Amino acid sequence: GENVEQHPSTLSVQEGDSAVIKCTYSDSASNYFPWYKQELGKRPQLIIDIRSNVGEKKDQRIAVTLNKTAKHFSLHITETQPEDSAVYFCAASSGNTPLVFGKGTRLSVIA
Amino acid sequence: GAVVSQHPSWVICKSGTSVKIECRSLDFQATTMFWYRQFPKQSLMLMATSNEGSKATYEQGVEKDKFLINHASLTLSTLTVTSAHPEDSSFYICSARGTNQKYGYTFGSGTRLTVV
Repeated sequence: GENVEQHPSTLSVQEGDSAVIKCTYSDSASNYFPWYKQELGKRPQLIIDIRSNVGEKKDQRIAVTLNKTAKHFSLHITETQPEDSAVYFCAASSGNTPLVFGKGTRLSVIA
Repeated sequence: GAVVSQHPSWVICKSGTSVKIECRSLDFQATTMFWYRQFPKQSLMLMATSNEGSKATYEQGVEKDKFLINHASLTLSTLTVTSAHPEDSSFYICSARGTNQKYGYTFGSGTRLTVV
């Protein structure tokens, strides 16, 4: 089955700096890669996703890149703000299969 | 957009009792429901997958007789934790997929279960 590795587990950045979180996946059949932001005690919130026919996608301060050959994808947050502090999860699926999540990255943005 | 209502949002129960968690898709037909469990400071771990009208498929290590899943209709799936023990205390969350949601996964709001 699919295995998703996520790094780093914790990340601290100064407000205004960029944050990058990286994930790798094992199943070449995976073709959908969402990123979720989760605040304590709440459901994961989809912040951006990318499909395997696209190499990069951007939405304001958030971007995701996908390298299918290397089986890795990354989340980039620019101009970080304190409200970006949360746990971020990457995930992968092949469309009809359940999402398999990475272990999460606790991002702290220091004002 | 697609909405999944999950209840209860939190529950405290005594050891040995059973707890039922419901997930309802409000504006779409959930043909598939995924049930996840999340322990503190950990990731979401898939427990089981259920398709409407079929028996659930459980992940390795998840006891199907302890975690009963029913998906009898396209808008309702339930997870019953039977004979709950303190180690079952966790955050349980459902994720639904419908026929009209290509690649879409809609999460419920989660249930915080505490077994005392």
